[in-house]
Amino acid sequence: EAGVTQFPSHSVIEKGQTVTLRCDPISGHDNLYWYRRVMGKEIKFLLHFVKESKQDESGMPNNRFLAERTGGTYSTLKVQPAELEDSGVYFCASSQERRTGGSETQYFGPGTRLLVL
Amino acid sequence: AQSVTQLGSHVSVSEGALVLLRCNYSSSVPPYLFWYVQYPNQGLQLLLKYTTGATLVKGINGFEAEFKKSETSFHLTKPSAHMSDAAEYFCAVSGGNAGNMLTFGGGTRLMVKP
Repeated sequence: EAGVTQFPSHSVIEKGQTVTLRCDPISGHDNLYWYRRVMGKEIKFLLHFVKESKQDESGMPNNRFLAERTGGTYSTLKVQPAELEDSGVYFCASSQERRTGGSETQYFGPGTRLLVL
Repeated sequence: AQSVTQLGSHVSVSEGALVLLRCNYSSSVPPYLFWYVQYPNQGLQLLLKYTTGATLVKGINGFEAEFKKSETSFHLTKPSAHMSDAAEYFCAVSGGNAGNMLTFGGGTRLMVKP
């Protein structure tokens, strides 16, 4: 079974440009999460999809970030326009369990390393 | 709000020595606790998790962790380090109002000396 995949693995862009990150969750996983690790800091939650619906987007830093999950399969995270502080590693995770409460196991992708110059 | 503190951003041990990575958490509700490991150029992989029941949790690759409510700790241990254990380790908490959202500590990079 394929794991969570993310594309691209690395992206270097200039300030003001747009970048779109993609995440393909494990097949059949309804839950999809985005996290971010800014250099030197902890990994932080961005948002959570259940199928195509946004369950929780409390971690999205501002309106320059737009996440979508059309059809409830893969997800994209667009940053427009990118700023220097957006640099970091963006992780995607997915899970199958439908129960709430927080005990589920989330399976992580390798991340996309974004550098904004 | 939940939080996690990992003491020591870098830990170095000799091959064959005990591995101890420290994790303390803050949570207003009984927490769910996780340890993840990240090897170079790979995603985070679950080592073990505590949900309910037995407080000593055994994970993959010989790692284990003990949930100590009185100390709000969930330290990760392994009796004998291998070179292949060199990686970055993350402690995380979820549950309560945070639901499924994971709150991570800052990570500990483990180095294993031959």
